[in-house]
Amino acid sequence: ETGVTQSPTHLIKTRGQQVTLRCSSQSGHNTVSWYQQALGQGPQFIFQYYREEENGRGNFPPRFSGLQFPNYSSELNVNALELDDSALYLCASSSLAGGNNEQFFGPGTRLTVL
Amino acid sequence: SQQGEEDPQALSIQEGENATMNCSYKTSINNLQWYRQNSGRGLVHLILIRSNEREKHSGRLRVTLDTSKKSSSLLITASRAADTASYFCATDSGAGKSTFGDGTTLTVKP
Repeated sequence: ETGVTQSPTHLIKTRGQQVTLRCSSQSGHNTVSWYQQALGQGPQFIFQYYREEENGRGNFPPRFSGLQFPNYSSELNVNALELDDSALYLCASSSLAGGNNEQFFGPGTRLTVL
Repeated sequence: SQQGEEDPQALSIQEGENATMNCSYKTSINNLQWYRQNSGRGLVHLILIRSNEREKHSGRLRVTLDTSKKSSSLLITASRAADTASYFCATDSGAGKSTFGDGTTLTVKP
């Protein structure tokens, strides 16, 4: 158990809808990163939040957006869902002040877009 | 595009044998990490090796890093059926943003 939690566990949406996924960081961590993992592939970096500001973004369109709250929990929002957005969404918390940037992953949210 | 690429894509061995997985990457890194994933669940961190380290051990795991060749290997000794999982390497080029390969699927037969 990493102490990182995600909700919901599973989610089914239809094309065009919007979805919000949530992540609670491990205690003491100030950084949250979100990843998308399609079936049979490795996780792809979406973006990272550090102290409530976006701190880097991968190759994802603007309809993928996020928030980080003062307690360092985070949300991933996806608008105008497409079939290809079906994937496992993973969040990872870390502490940039720690120096080694070890990331602790949550169990993921499985999103299915029909 | 992926930074890390694992090799082989799939590996099947008998319990008790050793399993070796390799990872190659393209750009300079601060550190490289190996993760394990069971059946599409969350990633479990196995070991982190910094760019100035060459070898690291943790229990039955041994990781090497060759920055001149931009490659790393993960050795699991005396494998067990419970080691069956997907294994990913992830490189960190700065600020903790990890870039993953597509993983090696390891099957350990009892």
